[in-house]
Amino acid sequence: EIVLTQSPGTLSLSPGERATLSCRASQSVSSYLAWYQQKPGQAPRLLIYGASSRATDIPDRFSGSGSGTDFTLTISRLEPEDFAVYYCQQYVTSPGLTFGGGTKVEIK
Amino acid sequence: QLQLQESGPGLVKPSETLSLTCTVSGGSTSSSSHYWGLIRQPPGKGLEWIGSVFYSGTTFYAPSLKSRVTMSVDKSKNQFSLKVTSVTAADTAVYYCASSNTLTGGFGYWGQGTLVTVSS
Repeated sequence: EIVLTQSPGTLSLSPGERATLSCRASQSVSSYLAWYQQKPGQAPRLLIYGASSRATDIPDRFSGSGSGTDFTLTISRLEPEDFAVYYCQQYVTSPGLTFGGGTKVEIK
Repeated sequence: QLQLQESGPGLVKPSETLSLTCTVSGGSTSSSSHYWGLIRQPPGKGLEWIGSVFYSGTTFYAPSLKSRVTMSVDKSKNQFSLKVTSVTAADTAVYYCASSNTLTGGFGYWGQGTLVTVSS
């Protein structure tokens, strides 16, 4: 099973600041990596697929980068609605999909 | 716009079988352009992929759950389903149905989720 490790566990920032979230895979997943945002009581929302492609209607302040084992989600300037939990997920079909443990972006 | 809706009992007794159905609207479970997934989230914890099923019926399961999980697709009803046998309190979670585009990857559409509690 491919393990995804997200860091930091919690990121305390102010609106307008830049957020940098990391996701590291235990073995290469090429570019088969997605990022999600989840707010309390809601289903996750797909932000990024293919490591760097924004999903439909996702603002351009969200960007993804990386390939192989190291990936980054960057939020260029935090808006109030961006404070949430973010998960990475790899989708190499075999041996199966996995999610990272999540990074909480909270208001400082 | 693809929409997914979970349905099933909210309470299951320990050692019994959890059954969940996902109904798809705005799209077809017969389509090769999507595959279907089940993801769960225990209260206050992270996301766990359970398994995925393709329109052809091919399935992939999380290794940790493989011995207890069965997923299937019913094209005539435009549904896919999950069964988890021998449940324990550790299976208590919000269960989400989701859909992924086979070309792009990532689960782009999600149901609202349904809480399943395992308790006697």
